[in-house]
Amino acid sequence: GQNIDQPTEMTATEGAIVQINCTYQTSGFNGLFWYQQHAGEAPTFLSYNVLDGLEEKGRFSSFLSRSKGYSYLLLKELQMKDSASYLCAVRSPGGNKLTFGTGTQLKVEL
Amino acid sequence: ETGVTQSPTHLIKTRGQQVTLRCSSQSGHNTVSWYQQALGQGPQFIFQYYREEENGRGNFPPRFSGLQFPNYSSELNVNALELDDSALYLCASSFEPTGSGANVLTFGAGSRLTVL
Repeated sequence: GQNIDQPTEMTATEGAIVQINCTYQTSGFNGLFWYQQHAGEAPTFLSYNVLDGLEEKGRFSSFLSRSKGYSYLLLKELQMKDSASYLCAVRSPGGNKLTFGTGTQLKVEL
Repeated sequence: ETGVTQSPTHLIKTRGQQVTLRCSSQSGHNTVSWYQQALGQGPQFIFQYYREEENGRGNFPPRFSGLQFPNYSSELNVNALELDDSALYLCASSFEPTGSGANVLTFGAGSRLTVL
């Protein structure tokens, strides 16, 4: 089976850095994705890791450790518009099925 | 390029009724997946279509069915609606050369279904 855990809520200050953690236990692994979802909108792709290490993309970075079943999303120089739900998802082998966590609701405050 | 579009955006049904939700995939994409997202939860995989055939299914009963058309658009049909079917239904598309799942999913904004 698949089990993905991430914190339900986080609060951070504008301009700061925040790290959103995700742990997973899955029967197969073919990559880990992070999506951002604003209320009432489509999830939008942020990052993808399939090998261990850090992937950097502007203000967003994502890290993966397959041996530990662990990933994090790092957001730098937080802006108010970053207030959203951040979804961690693991892809199963042999197809494009994503198993999502419940999402972390990030609130950015002044 | 046009993104993934879904219709209707909102709809209300009563228990026992049937519903059809529609999805147009992003230009150049050949694979469509459907997800159910209950309030406060992450999306749950319903099924995927590749070359007009179901290519993977999640833990949903047979009253959830789908179609993919030659132009890669898709429909999700739900029969005998139950209260717990109330959710946001998300469609996602990707280009898969072999259907094995190599590329990033692009999601639509969803159809919000309320079952009374």
